Amino acid sequence: NAGVTQTPKFRVLKTGQSMTLLCAQDMNHEYMYWYRQDPGMGLRLIHYSVGEGTTAKGEVPDGYNVSRLKKQNFLLGLESAAPSQTSVYFCASSYGQGKVQYFGAGTRLSVL
Amino acid sequence: KQEVTQIPAALSVPEGENLVLNCSFTDSAIYNLQWFRQDPGKGLTSLLLIQSSQREQTSGRLNASLDKSSGRSTLYIAASQPGDSATYLCAVLLYGQNFVFGPGTRLSVLP
Repeated sequence: NAGVTQTPKFRVLKTGQSMTLLCAQDMNHEYMYWYRQDPGMGLRLIHYSVGEGTTAKGEVPDGYNVSRLKKQNFLLGLESAAPSQTSVYFCASSYGQGKVQYFGAGTRLSVL
Repeated sequence: KQEVTQIPAALSVPEGENLVLNCSFTDSAIYNLQWFRQDPGKGLTSLLLIQSSQREQTSGRLNASLDKSSGRSTLYIAASQPGDSATYLCAVLLYGQNFVFGPGTRLSVLP
């Protein structure tokens, strides 16, 4: 009963490098989300998906891209990392809008 | 734009005390409100979800209330235990939008 699994757990990048964060859920949820959490600011929504093949922008989408090719996976990409993207990234999933969200353990990313 | 605040930012209490955490929001036309717990270095765990038509929800020692007219929700924790130490976040959902999270209250329950 894994729930929501995020990989990797930690990553250090240099400015300008690219990377992809993977989120996988085994609950057959339609909705998936990517958030970033910064000290004192709560969680902010980056992108989300309401079903396989769909994506939509959240509050802070600039510098990120996402893909939902399979229902169980939601990928977050950084094409050219910047120090401002140093943060903890969380993936979440839910049965539908407004339903209980289930979170992964997070990915701690540092961009030097 | 919905703004969510939580006061206090941090709280330290002795074990066994009853306590109240506060969540305030600026737009009262909410669909529902969710309370989460976050342990250090971990993800969020949903504790309670209150629909806009409800006044409160209870789960064990936790009770969450909702007053839309005043833009407030409270999370009441009875007989606090050291294991309750964590950060508690509230998240508010407006119709047709996504959850907006508060910054959280960091709770320490001292043995």
